[in-house]
Amino acid sequence: DVKVTQSSRYLVKRTGEKVFLECVQDMDHENMFWYRQDPGLGLRLIYFSYDVKMKEKGDIPEGYSVSREKKERFSLILESASTNQTSMYLCASEQGTNEKLFFGSGTQLSVL
Amino acid sequence: LAKTTQPISMDSYEGQEVNITCSHNNIATNDYITWYQQFPSQGPRFIIQGYKTKVTNEVASLFIPADRKSSTLSLPRVSLSDTAVYYCLVGPSDSNYQLIWGAGTKLIIKP
Repeated sequence: DVKVTQSSRYLVKRTGEKVFLECVQDMDHENMFWYRQDPGLGLRLIYFSYDVKMKEKGDIPEGYSVSREKKERFSLILESASTNQTSMYLCASEQGTNEKLFFGSGTQLSVL
Repeated sequence: LAKTTQPISMDSYEGQEVNITCSHNNIATNDYITWYQQFPSQGPRFIIQGYKTKVTNEVASLFIPADRKSSTLSLPRVSLSDTAVYYCLVGPSDSNYQLIWGAGTKLIIKP
């Protein structure tokens, strides 16, 4: 089975801190995604990447950046965390276009 | 991009068949219909995908009428472990990045 691993299940950070969320997939997938999910809402796409060093903005990229230096790893960076970035962050990967998405278990980030 | 409408919540009982209907009136010719399941504190998990008519796998069936303006996810003989949120997604065949995720349907299975 494909495994998408997110480095932390829970994180607590302070306003203004730089935050790194790491995601690793083990199936040599081309495409990787970062979403955030807030209570009662669906997933919203922050960024996605279709190749190493390639990235595209999703629907809500403001306040975030990403890095993909290796195919298996996709990092989400909060340059200066704010309280409105408290959320569940989900990483996903897919092999090709419109293939099924494989998700990690998520990182619940609290910014105080 | 086609948006979807599904019930906010549904209840059923163990052993019953559950049908969750999704409306997608503005579906485009090249759009597929995909369903995901999400348990609390986990990421969504792919259930089934279809384009037209009927698709069946070991977990569920997906029924799509000829006009494709709606679809129905059918879960046979549900158990308590099927309690989850179910998302209906409609998107073009060329990338998942264009999918629009709604709030989903919270399905509660009772003993």
